[in-house]
Amino acid sequence: DAKTTQPNSMESNEEEPVHLPCNHSTISGTDYIHWYRQLPSQGPEYVIHGLTSNVNNRMASLAIAEDRKSSTLILHRATLRDAAVYYCILRDSQGGSEKLVFGKGMKLTVNP
Amino acid sequence: NAGVTQTPKFQVLKTGQSMTLQCAQDMNHEYMSWYRQDPGMGLRLIHYSVGAGITDQGEVPNGYNVSRSTTEDFPLRLLSAAPSQTSVYFCASSYSKFTGNEQFFGPGTRLTVL
Repeated sequence: DAKTTQPNSMESNEEEPVHLPCNHSTISGTDYIHWYRQLPSQGPEYVIHGLTSNVNNRMASLAIAEDRKSSTLILHRATLRDAAVYYCILRDSQGGSEKLVFGKGMKLTVNP
Repeated sequence: NAGVTQTPKFQVLKTGQSMTLQCAQDMNHEYMSWYRQDPGMGLRLIHYSVGAGITDQGEVPNGYNVSRSTTEDFPLRLLSAAPSQTSVYFCASSYSKFTGNEQFFGPGTRLTVL
């Protein structure tokens, strides 16, 4: 699986937008970009995923660079509940498996 | 739907003991998997199953056994517990094995091996 690079941590303020970056310079044409997050003492939860086009859902938006070598998860209005470890994961659409390869992720702190 | 459930929530074992971590899902998902998470680390895949009767190894399978006799259940067996198996264990499921399906995770089992 191709690798992703995220900052170790970020801070944001409540009710402000947050942009969480992810670099994946070795991404292949068939790799999907997935984001999961893990709140303290909980299992990971799905946030969003995309292939080429920008994606929006009720939780967040995913902006994918034109060359697909980087992407940004956007939380439009951070809340205290968004404080979590965020994982950016690449999944090969031709792999035939839902195996997720988690890195260390990025810890988001939200200040009140 | 209860989603993905795991039992027990906490467990303490002595070295050499065996036990089974239970995982069940009520969403009729084909794909189920087990991960472990050590402090400060991401999750690592132990075993996975793409359907009843079919299992395969993940990244760190040694010391663990699995079976999948029903769609709903995917138990993880520790054959002879070792301190290195102290970890938090997460079970996950998704609708199918194909990429793009959201994976649902259970709340985890915190295991300590003394």
